[in-house]
Amino acid sequence: EAQVTQNPRYLITVTGKKLTVTCSQNMNHEYMSWYRQDPGLGLRQIYYSMNVEVTDKGDVPEGYKVSRKEKRNFPLILESPSPNQTSLYFCASSLWGLGNQPQHFGDGTRLSIL
Amino acid sequence: DAKTTQPNSMESNEEEPVHLPCNHSTISGTDYIHWYRQLPSQGPEYVIHGLTSNVNNRMASLAIAEDRKSSTLILHRATLRDAAVYYCILRDESGGGADGLTFGKGTHLIIQP
Repeated sequence: EAQVTQNPRYLITVTGKKLTVTCSQNMNHEYMSWYRQDPGLGLRQIYYSMNVEVTDKGDVPEGYKVSRKEKRNFPLILESPSPNQTSLYFCASSLWGLGNQPQHFGDGTRLSIL
Repeated sequence: DAKTTQPNSMESNEEEPVHLPCNHSTISGTDYIHWYRQLPSQGPEYVIHGLTSNVNNRMASLAIAEDRKSSTLILHRATLRDAAVYYCILRDESGGGADGLTFGKGTHLIIQP
């Protein structure tokens, strides 16, 4: 089944403790992206990757890192998490980063930073 | 990406058709019209997209006005599982990854049994 898989689905952690949210897709998609969703603010893009080894900042990249060493994986790294990064995170992928391509989303990761 | 305007909420009855409107008066000639929906506790789900002509797929139909300044997502026979927030999004054909998908507030569709 074609899918985008995120792990973990839920995480409660403390300020400053490094964490990684993994994202994997099995559709051989070139483009991958991370969003965060906050009440009243909708989904906002954090980082995106047009292809392997190519990543770039979205609208709200501060406090996050990403890497794209393989086509299928696009982990989101919080080096020193802070409470304002408490949010619902979604990974998405599409065949290419073009406007006529539908994006496929994971089921989300709910992070709570205490 | 140009802006879209949708009603905050709509209500419909189960097994009846639902027409969800979207206005996009500043749409450009290269903007695709996308619809996504988000069910409670799930990630956004692609529904349909189009450029100029009406489009049909297994989930829904998309009717695009001749001047492209508005569009309507049509669910032919709503079920309780269609209760979700529906987002109408414009995306330039060049994509440009930095744009991402700009999700507004969408329309909260309520389905009554």
